[in-house]
Amino acid sequence: DAKTTQPPSMDCAEGRAANLPCNHSTISGNEYVYWYRQIHSQGPQYIIHGLKNNETNEMASLIITEDRKSSTLILPHATLRDTAVYYCIVRVALAWMDSSYKLIFGSGTRLLVRP
Amino acid sequence: GAVVSQHPSRVICKSGTSVKIECRSLDFQATTMFWYRQFPKQSLMLMATSNEGSKATYEQGVEKDKFLINHASLTLSTLTVTSAHPEDSSFYICSAREGGLAGQETQYFGPGTRLLVL
Repeated sequence: DAKTTQPPSMDCAEGRAANLPCNHSTISGNEYVYWYRQIHSQGPQYIIHGLKNNETNEMASLIITEDRKSSTLILPHATLRDTAVYYCIVRVALAWMDSSYKLIFGSGTRLLVRP
Repeated sequence: GAVVSQHPSRVICKSGTSVKIECRSLDFQATTMFWYRQFPKQSLMLMATSNEGSKATYEQGVEKDKFLINHASLTLSTLTVTSAHPEDSSFYICSAREGGLAGQETQYFGPGTRLLVL
């Protein structure tokens, strides 16, 4: 079962920042938060991941609260091509291999970027 | 990021036939690959986890005799849908785990294969 809660849909204006929230109140101390997005009829695309510190890369920023119970993905200047379903995933560790994991997808947030 | 390919991208087959889908990690070695299935307007559902050189681990409710997974090399995993039926029509997506520091591995996804069983 997915361990995250996301709003089903959001929209933002092109050029503005898109802030996508995610609740993961039952996250364990060694579980990472991953963000992926899926553009229609394509495979998911990796965006960013983090453990406890805020992270930034060329695509987005990830802000994780101090208690780690929630996070926010920030797309600083959304474009029309950012319209997609965004998935926030808590990594589940496989019991028999400590360093491995599997990603369980929830229903995600459908982001619509308006012209 | 790392590249994962799938072949074919789209396949149509008759009911009762078997279909093989290939998943390749193009620029990295993947000791672990994953197979997902996605029905229209639904999220991805993990079907199985495969490790190179060993048997796949299937998620609850996924028939291992119907969905045969082979991970014979560090860059190739195959999913064979045996005796396909119309209800198997779906979008099948593979992913591969790129190694790194423990806990830092990233999973990359292929473009998906759309299967239509007539």
